[in-house]
Amino acid sequence: DAGVTQSPTHLIKTRGQQVTLRCSPKSGHDTVSWYQQALGQGPQFIFQYYEEEERQRGNFPDRFSGHQFPNYSSELNVNALLLGDSALYLCASSFSGNQPQHFGDGTRLSIL
Amino acid sequence: GNSVTQMEGPVTLSEEAFLTINCTYTATGYPSLFWYVQYPGEGLQLLLKATKADDKGSNKGFEATYRKETTSFHLEKGSVQVSDSAVYFCALKGGGATNKLIFGTGTLLAVQP
Repeated sequence: DAGVTQSPTHLIKTRGQQVTLRCSPKSGHDTVSWYQQALGQGPQFIFQYYEEEERQRGNFPDRFSGHQFPNYSSELNVNALLLGDSALYLCASSFSGNQPQHFGDGTRLSIL
Repeated sequence: GNSVTQMEGPVTLSEEAFLTINCTYTATGYPSLFWYVQYPGEGLQLLLKATKADDKGSNKGFEATYRKETTSFHLEKGSVQVSDSAVYFCALKGGGATNKLIFGTGTLLAVQP
């Protein structure tokens, strides 16, 4: 039973570029959340998707957007990349809103 | 708003020592509380949870008790191993339909043989 899988593992971009990160939830899960983890910090909630809709959003600018597909997989898009966007981006999935979240290993994004 | 405060690390212990990592929270209503562990180069793994006051979560020798009167959820283990070396995160989830997690800043545990 595959857990949460994220791709790519690592990514290097330059300022101003755009990036798309991908996440496949654990089998049986229908809810996907995205978190940003800066070096030495705890993860910060970006947003959550359920039934292909953004259900809740954290304190992140509109440059951060997402999508959920009918098979429950999800994408995180970041436009106009800034140096401060360098971080580990974590995807977490769960079944509905009240079950514990399972995390993927993350995508390490570096901005030059 | 809701928040979590963890003791700062790193915490360095010898193998078989007793571990305590302090965690306190601020929240409205009745949050659920979690401890996650992150090994180097990996994502977060759920270690244990508690959903109401006085609940004790436990797993792999770790345990934590949800104390509403002191708004705390301290992580303990009686005898740590080198393999327990990792970063530990305390987190809470507020009530409601969404399960947004709010994390502390993490505590690095280094266990020496």
